[in-house]
Amino acid sequence: QKEVEQNSGPLSVPEGAIASLNCTYSDRGSQSFFWYRQYSGKSPELIMFIYSNGDKEDGRFTAQLNKASQYVSLLIRDSQPSDSATYLCAVLRDTDKLIFGTGTRLQVFP
Amino acid sequence: ETGVTQTPRHLVMGMTNKKSLKCEQHLGHNAMYWYKQSAKKPLELMFVYSLEERVENNSVPSRFSPECPNSSHLFLHLHTLQPEDSALYLCASSHPGLAVDTDTQYFGPGTRLTVL
Repeated sequence: QKEVEQNSGPLSVPEGAIASLNCTYSDRGSQSFFWYRQYSGKSPELIMFIYSNGDKEDGRFTAQLNKASQYVSLLIRDSQPSDSATYLCAVLRDTDKLIFGTGTRLQVFP
Repeated sequence: ETGVTQTPRHLVMGMTNKKSLKCEQHLGHNAMYWYKQSAKKPLELMFVYSLEERVENNSVPSRFSPECPNSSHLFLHLHTLQPEDSALYLCASSHPGLAVDTDTQYFGPGTRLTVL
């Protein structure tokens, strides 16, 4: 079983819709979770992190964490074509080791 | 611009060459990382340096040799690489252990390496 699992996609949504990206993890002791966005040919850039159960909102982005079910999700409201990228879920282990999923490719079409 | 720079941005080398990748962070962090990103695979953590001491080496072949002379600089020395080593090599830094926001790792732009 992979430590961090994501559907590779692509996930296609129309402009203005809500994109929902999901991630599951295997280590029940994991405490901190990160979402990065990676445009083609570029490096990952942090969108947000979450460590408490529930929702965390930042602009059009909402991260959701459910430790009992071991999943993390990222919602993107009012999706724009510029949101088209690969979204990487990562779990922090031992405070200094990020374990990444393979990423979900999001396509937002006009 | 994240405050982490990498040079060169692109590198083409033959299997018998020796080259080095350089990373520099301007964020005041005390931990630095090398990752490898190959097509269709998740980012793989290669090395972790904390306070200039190597604390993680994820079974990386000896043809990759890291060096961390101080908390702001990190090198990856390459020699006798194989074509399957062609990938995007990413450097990151953080200040782990204080809080989740300082645990956050910030990435440099990466070096696209091609081994012929």
